[in-house]
Amino acid sequence: GNSVTQMEGPVTLSEEAFLTINCTYTATGYPSLFWYVQYPGEGLQLLLKATKADDKGSNKGFEATYRKETTSFHLEKGSVQVSDSAVYFCALSASTGNQFYFGTGTSLTVIP
Amino acid sequence: GAVVSQHPSRVICKSGTSVKIECRSLDFQATTMFWYRQFPKKSLMLMATSNEGSKATYEQGVEKDKFLINHASLTLSTLTVTSAHPEDSSFYICSAARVSGANVLTFGAGSRLTVL
Repeated sequence: GNSVTQMEGPVTLSEEAFLTINCTYTATGYPSLFWYVQYPGEGLQLLLKATKADDKGSNKGFEATYRKETTSFHLEKGSVQVSDSAVYFCALSASTGNQFYFGTGTSLTVIP
Repeated sequence: GAVVSQHPSRVICKSGTSVKIECRSLDFQATTMFWYRQFPKKSLMLMATSNEGSKATYEQGVEKDKFLINHASLTLSTLTVTSAHPEDSSFYICSAARVSGANVLTFGAGSRLTVL
C-alpha cells in the first residue's frame, strides 16, 4: 500500500541554522511527492513537489530530492528564518487518481 | 494560480445544531474535492472524497449521516455537520483537484468548528 513516514517533531532551531526533515515513503507504481506547509491557523500550502525519480523540488530556499533508491524525499533548508516556523507535511500522490497520503506533520519553531 | 475558498473560516455553534461549510474552487473546475479533519498536533485525516454529480465516498469510520457532503457543481462542495456535538469540534479542511493538469491538490484555508 501507500504510506508516508515523517520525522517526528517538534523541531526547534535557531535562526540561520540548517534544517532537515526526513520523509520516507512506500508506494506502488510511480508516485509524485510533495511537501506542504501549514502556518498557524491556516490551511495547507504547497511548498514544493517532485514528480519523478531524481527530480529536485525547490521553493523559498527549501529543497527536496526524489530518491527512488532510498524511497526518500527529505526536506532541507540551508538557513532557516523565524518566518519558517510552521508545520510541514510530506505527502505522496499515487500514480493513478488524486488520492493523497500525508505524513503526520513536523512542527518547526525557529527562535531568533 | 489555483485558489480554493473555504467558508466560514470560524464557526461556533450550540450542541445539536447543524453547520454547513462551503468549499469553492475559484478559478478552476474540480471534479473531485476532498474533506479532511485535523486534530490538534495530528495529521490530516481524510474523511471523504466528493465527486461532482455523484455520492461522496467516505473513509472507514466516518459517519456519512453525520457528515453530509454534497458536490453539486464543478466549483462547489459542501460539508454539513449534522446535530453537532462538542467532540465534533475540529479544524476541517477541503482540497480540490483540477480536472486536468498536474496532479496537485489545492487546499482551502480551513474552517475551525467549535461546538459548545
